[in-house]
Amino acid sequence: NAGVTQTPKFQVLKTGQSMTLQCAQDMNHEYMSWYRQDPGMGLRLIHYSVGAGITDQGEVPNGYNVSRSTTEDFPLRLLSAAPSQTSVYFCASTKEGEGYEQYFGPGTRLTVT
Amino acid sequence: SQELEQSPQSLIVQEGKNLTINCTSSKTLYGLYWYKQKYGEGLIFLMMLQKGGEEKSHEKITAKLDEKKQQSSLHITASQPSHAGIYLCGADILGGGNKLTFGTGTQLKVEL
Repeated sequence: NAGVTQTPKFQVLKTGQSMTLQCAQDMNHEYMSWYRQDPGMGLRLIHYSVGAGITDQGEVPNGYNVSRSTTEDFPLRLLSAAPSQTSVYFCASTKEGEGYEQYFGPGTRLTVT
Repeated sequence: SQELEQSPQSLIVQEGKNLTINCTSSKTLYGLYWYKQKYGEGLIFLMMLQKGGEEKSHEKITAKLDEKKQQSSLHITASQPSHAGIYLCGADILGGGNKLTFGTGTQLKVEL
């Protein structure tokens, strides 16, 4: 199993550009989520999904869109990048329900200039 | 506001010393997860605690969840340079098991 994979590893965008961060898992997990990590803030939940076709907002959803057309993939779209979105983005997946380990991808380091 | 308080924010210890990191919530924790992160890398799962009073160990790392399920501690015995990194606690404070709230992390440095 590859686990949770994320691409790209690094990205630099100019303000106003759009892009999609890719996330895929091969563990047949129902639940997938996106977090951003900023210095002194810990990880904050952006969006999550409990299965294909079902998504919901987390703590900091503004400026981001998600979709879940398959169990395996959960892309995160930045519609119009802003410097405040400079961060490290992590995708995670787990089985639905309590008591399961959350598996994290290696992260995407995004800089918006 | 930070629903999950982690302390200390940073810690420098000499190799061989013991240390403890705390994670405290004002709400009941349905599940408490400890992760380790090396700078610039992803999160490595260490342990998960669910039951009040539960204690788990892996190599020289022990984690405990108090009886009230509002505080967890991570204890490292005889620290080594390989223990250096950022330790994060994540908690399920809503129930349901999936949406985690994270503390701000504890940066640990181990000096030779």
